[in-house]
Amino acid sequence: SYELTQPPSVSVSPGQTATITCSGDKLGDKYVCWYQQKPGQSPVVVIYQDTKRPSGIPERISGSNSGNTATLTISGTQTMDEADYYCQAWDSSTGVVFGGGTKLTVL
Amino acid sequence: QVTLKESGPVLVKPTETLTLTCTVSGFSLSNARMGVSWIRQPPGKALEWLAHIYSNDEKSYFRSLRNRLTISKDTAKSQVVLTMTNMDPVDTATYYCARRTGSSASDPFDIWGQGTMVTVSS
Repeated sequence: SYELTQPPSVSVSPGQTATITCSGDKLGDKYVCWYQQKPGQSPVVVIYQDTKRPSGIPERISGSNSGNTATLTISGTQTMDEADYYCQAWDSSTGVVFGGGTKLTVL
Repeated sequence: QVTLKESGPVLVKPTETLTLTCTVSGFSLSNARMGVSWIRQPPGKALEWLAHIYSNDEKSYFRSLRNRLTISKDTAKSQVVLTMTNMDPVDTATYYCARRTGSSASDPFDIWGQGTMVTVSS
């Protein structure tokens, strides 16, 4: 079955750039979504189709996808960005696949 | 306003069958671009996709749980139902329903329900 691998945690200082990776076999050939989940809340999509932002998502959140790795980048990180982030893709044999999640700490 | 709301039992016993209902509003389950998935999240763990139903009633399931899952919908009632048989304590999780908008399986889950916590224990 298809798998997506994320680092368990990423730490960043306020105002700096946070980078969260998501790895999978030939992931660049698939579309990737990213979800933000704050404690006690439901996930919210922040990036879809690799690079697109839904309305209401700030421009400082961006995504890319190439080769075997998709990347979520948060520029000028704020304390409000502290959350768990999940990548997600679709595989023809496995179906919808989520990564294991990355806890972003802003300190 | 588009909303999804999950409902079902808070506690089920091992070996029992779980039935969860997702009631949607603000859109129609017959809309060709709309589909609904069930996704679960064990406490402190990652999201896990379970099943999806399309507007044309086509269904897809997580392969590892396929033999335990059934997804269905009642368009008139705006409800999507998930049943999971032979529940086990490892199935303890928050169960979400989420809408997927678009004609591709790669489209995002743009609206999520609040989730419902299900505990499996005797």
